[in-house]
Amino acid sequence: AQSVSQHNHHVILSEAASLELGCNYSYGGTVNLFWYVQYPGQHLQLLLKYFSGDPLVKGIKGFEAEFIKSKFSFNLRKPSVQWSDTAEYFCAVITNFGNEKLTFGTGTRLTIIP
Amino acid sequence: NAGVTQTPKFQVLKTGQSMTLQCAQDMNHEYMSWYRQDPGMGLRLIHYSVGAGITDQGEVPNGYNVSRSTTEDFPLRLLSAAPSQTSVYFCASSSPGTVIYEQYFGPGTRLTVT
Repeated sequence: AQSVSQHNHHVILSEAASLELGCNYSYGGTVNLFWYVQYPGQHLQLLLKYFSGDPLVKGIKGFEAEFIKSKFSFNLRKPSVQWSDTAEYFCAVITNFGNEKLTFGTGTRLTIIP
Repeated sequence: NAGVTQTPKFQVLKTGQSMTLQCAQDMNHEYMSWYRQDPGMGLRLIHYSVGAGITDQGEVPNGYNVSRSTTEDFPLRLLSAAPSQTSVYFCASSSPGTVIYEQYFGPGTRLTVT
């Protein structure tokens, strides 16, 4: 079965710092990859997704992610974070197309210090 | 569209009690699913449905039942609540015919079993 690893459990940054959150998956075939964000007290929202094509994907709020197939990675980046980016971030993968079963990572809690 | 709605938002149960968590969507999505979110474990799939009358088990189905009599509704039943079921429950829906593999999440139900 596929799995998703997010090795950073809690990241603390100052405003304007650059961000990179790691995501690795274990599956040798074709994958669709997602990053979801959960702001405090809210439900999950889609940040960005990769299906095919350009491996550099741009999402909402200035986030981007790069799919590196050889490394089984889909890291999330943002050049300059804001206090409002404080949230929990989840990486997720779909491998069995047609049943849409998302497998989530354990999440990374991001705290931005003003 | 209201999107995905869940009721109740909060619930406290005693061990052994039963209850139903409600989930509804008004986007005519075929696929609906239930996840539970626990600290340090991300989101884990409980049950899912690919259409009315069709349900299947996810990663952690024990202690939960589902049914899907209409496209709109996908209730989750706890037959005999246990403290291990204390969690936040999210319902999600998606449709392969539209924005492929993007799941829309409800606001969640925070359940405490004492």
